[in-house]
Amino acid sequence: DVVLIQSPLSLPVTLGQPASISCRSSQSLVYSDGNTFLNWFQQRPGQSPRRLIYKVSNRDSGVPDRFSGSGSGTDFTLRISRVEAEDVGIYYCMQGTHWPLYTFGQGTKLEIK
Amino acid sequence: EVQLVQSGGGLVQPGGSLRLSCVGSGFTFRSYWMHWVRQAPGKGLVWVSRINSDGSTTTYADSVKGRFTISRDNAKNSLHLQMNSLGAEDTAVYYCTRDLVDWGQGTLVTVSS
Repeated sequence: DVVLIQSPLSLPVTLGQPASISCRSSQSLVYSDGNTFLNWFQQRPGQSPRRLIYKVSNRDSGVPDRFSGSGSGTDFTLRISRVEAEDVGIYYCMQGTHWPLYTFGQGTKLEIK
Repeated sequence: EVQLVQSGGGLVQPGGSLRLSCVGSGFTFRSYWMHWVRQAPGKGLVWVSRINSDGSTTTYADSVKGRFTISRDNAKNSLHLQMNSLGAEDTAVYYCTRDLVDWGQGTLVTVSS
């Protein structure tokens, strides 16, 4: 089974400063068609999850451009260029390459210092 | 606007059964794969099950295989999760999601005597 390891698990950030979350996979997430199905989700306190990024680097509709995704193969990163108060929550990476089983990372809790 | 409205959670005794439902609106329900994802109290997201657009193909996480059944009624824009032989480890908020993009509000299932 594919395992996704996120780091750090806790991320205190000063408002206006950048933040970065790593997601490493135990197997390559490149699918046979060349796509890489690595997504990022945000879960604000008390809310349902929301997808932010799909296929490594594509922002979903309505997602601020301060969020960006990058990476390839087994190493991926979610970056927030300037953290705002509304970004507080838990961030999860998720792989859909090795379907029909989907895997989430453990989650990274972002808080304001 | 895409909406997923869930119902059917609650308290059930160990070994009991429960059926969760999710009604979709604002999109062509029959065109999308649907998933269930759960989140134990204070824990991360765990993918549970998936069903393809016409209901002919289903997949389950190993932890629920043989106990849970996912189904859909495209005429009623509804998704269901029949949960049998429930144990304490199944206690969680269950989310229905449209292709892991849009998420329902979640419904709490508590397994306890």
